[in-house]
Amino acid sequence: EAGVVQSPRYKIIEKKQPVAFWCNPISGHNTLYWYLQNLGQGPELLIRYENEEAVDDSQLPKDRFSAERLKGVDSTLKIQPAELGDSAVYLCASSLSFTYNEQFFGPGTRLTVL
Amino acid sequence: RKEVEQDPGPFNVPEGATVAFNCTYSNSASQSFFWYRQDCRKEPKLLMSVYSSGNEDGRFTAQLNRASQYISLLIRDSKLSDSATYLCVVNLGGKLIFGQGTTLQVKP
Repeated sequence: EAGVVQSPRYKIIEKKQPVAFWCNPISGHNTLYWYLQNLGQGPELLIRYENEEAVDDSQLPKDRFSAERLKGVDSTLKIQPAELGDSAVYLCASSLSFTYNEQFFGPGTRLTVL
Repeated sequence: RKEVEQDPGPFNVPEGATVAFNCTYSNSASQSFFWYRQDCRKEPKLLMSVYSSGNEDGRFTAQLNRASQYISLLIRDSKLSDSATYLCVVNLGGKLIFGQGTTLQVKP
């Protein structure tokens, strides 16, 4: 069974440029998560989707970050404009449902903002 | 105060050693608990869940003390392949909250 797929794996951009990350969760997983992981830290939740509905976006900096999961399958996370402090690894994860099920992570997108 | 606190290490141990990691969490309403493993430049993967009665998976033993809000992971007979970062994770209302991780380096 295919795991969580993310692209691109690496992205280098200049500050103030836009950037987008794509995630395709494990087939049949209704819950999708976007996390941010800074070096030497654990992942921090940005947003959680139940099917196509964003049910927890309290940690998403909405002035510059946006996300969508239009058909309840794959998802896109966008930053516009990017700032130097956005350099991090952006991880996507999915689970069958949000209640206690194991979350499976994708390989992440490593973003460098110059 | 962080919601989940871990000693970042690194812990440098020889092969065959026993090593223990500790973790504390601040919210008593936390519902379930896990250890995830993250290899260098890879994604986190579930290592094991942690139950109040304690649970074991081969060389790994996890313990939970709800009264003290304390979680531990014991690794016996360390292998070179155990070198990784171990993330303590609590589930609070369906949201996973990760500690910063403890780095283990097992040396020959």
